[in-house]
Amino acid sequence: DVKVTQSSRYLVKRTGEKVFLECVQDMDHENMFWYRQDPGLGLRLIYFSYDVKMKEKGDIPEGYSVSREKKERFSLILESASTNQTSMYLCASTHGGSYEQYFGPGTRLTVT
Amino acid sequence: QQQVKQSPQSLIVQKGGISIINCAYENTAFDYFPWYQQFPGKGPALLIAIRPDVSEKKEGRFTISFNKSAKQFSLHIMDSQPGDSATYFCAARYTGTASKLTFGTGTRLQVTL
Repeated sequence: DVKVTQSSRYLVKRTGEKVFLECVQDMDHENMFWYRQDPGLGLRLIYFSYDVKMKEKGDIPEGYSVSREKKERFSLILESASTNQTSMYLCASTHGGSYEQYFGPGTRLTVT
Repeated sequence: QQQVKQSPQSLIVQKGGISIINCAYENTAFDYFPWYQQFPGKGPALLIAIRPDVSEKKEGRFTISFNKSAKQFSLHIMDSQPGDSATYFCAARYTGTASKLTFGTGTRLQVTL
């Protein structure tokens, strides 16, 4: 079974803190994605990566950065957390060319 | 802007009834249209997908209908069961990208007894 794990299920941070969200997949997938999920807005793509050290902006990259130093690991970084970044963050991975993305369970981040 | 528009936002169906969720897209540079199902506390998981050159695809009680000329597609859940209660997302895959998807806004389905 494909497994995508995220470092935390719940996270509470203060405004201005630097936040790291980690995602690890065990299926040697080339592509990895970070989304945020908000009620009424669906899943919105923040960043994605199609290879180690490669990254591309998604639809809402502002306020976020990413890092992919190893194929299995994709990190989302909030340089200076703000309250409008309170959300559910979902990581996903897939083989190149597949439309099936495998999602982690999500991290619910609250910024106070 | 939302590339894939999904409706309704929420849906209540009686057990045994048919659930219908609709999506419409604008960009023609999509080559696959998957549907994802998400249960509370879980990440979304692929349910069923269709190519734009096919008008219908059926897997068990789940059917996708696709109308290429109208740029619309829909998910039908026949004989809906309480276990189908979940949030459903339609999506579209961009042609020639690293499997990049754009998602609809989601439909929360509740199947009542």
